[in-house]
Amino acid sequence: NAGVMQNPRHLVRRRGQEARLRCSPMKGHSHVYWYRQLPEEGLKFMVYLQKENIIDESGMPKERFSAEFPKEGPSILRIQQVVRGDSAAYFCASSRTGATEAFFGQGTRLTVV
Amino acid sequence: AQSVTQLGSHVSVSEGALVLLRCNYSSSVPPYLFWYVQYPNQGLQLLLKYTSAATLVKGINGFEAEFKKSETSFHLTKPSAHMSDAAEYFCAVSDDNNNDMRFGAGTRLTVKP
Repeated sequence: NAGVMQNPRHLVRRRGQEARLRCSPMKGHSHVYWYRQLPEEGLKFMVYLQKENIIDESGMPKERFSAEFPKEGPSILRIQQVVRGDSAAYFCASSRTGATEAFFGQGTRLTVV
Repeated sequence: AQSVTQLGSHVSVSEGALVLLRCNYSSSVPPYLFWYVQYPNQGLQLLLKYTSAATLVKGINGFEAEFKKSETSFHLTKPSAHMSDAAEYFCAVSDDNNNDMRFGAGTRLTVKP
């Protein structure tokens, strides 16, 4: 049983481009969380999804950011028109239920140049 | 919604000394509490979790945490620090109602020789 898989591990984008971050949860897990970690800061909750549904997106910036978790395929965090301030590590986690432990991926490090 | 506060963004101890990392939670319902560790350029790994069983929880690498409802705390301790314990530690809370996990800002542990 593979762990949570995130790709790419590193992503470089120019300002104004789009960034797509993918997260494949562990087998049997239907809950996915996205977190952002800025340099020298802690983890910030962004969004919590179950299959095809956004449950809580209170941590998502109102513009340019969106997330989905389709019935088939990985969860996608999409950032449109990236800016330098979007540079961060983005971590995905999955869990079997909402109250069980979450397993984390290795993260995607986004650099906006 | 539930939340956690980690007191002290940086903690420094000498090798062999006691490690104490503080976490206080806020939750309107019985919480599930977790400690995660993040090594440089890695994802998060679960150290231990409290899910309403024993209030003293033992985790990996000699760490343990005690759930104290009266103090709304879940502090992480280790009797004797090792150089390999240097990492970032995150406390997290979730519950059956909200079904999402919220993290503290993290505490960076430095171990001096």
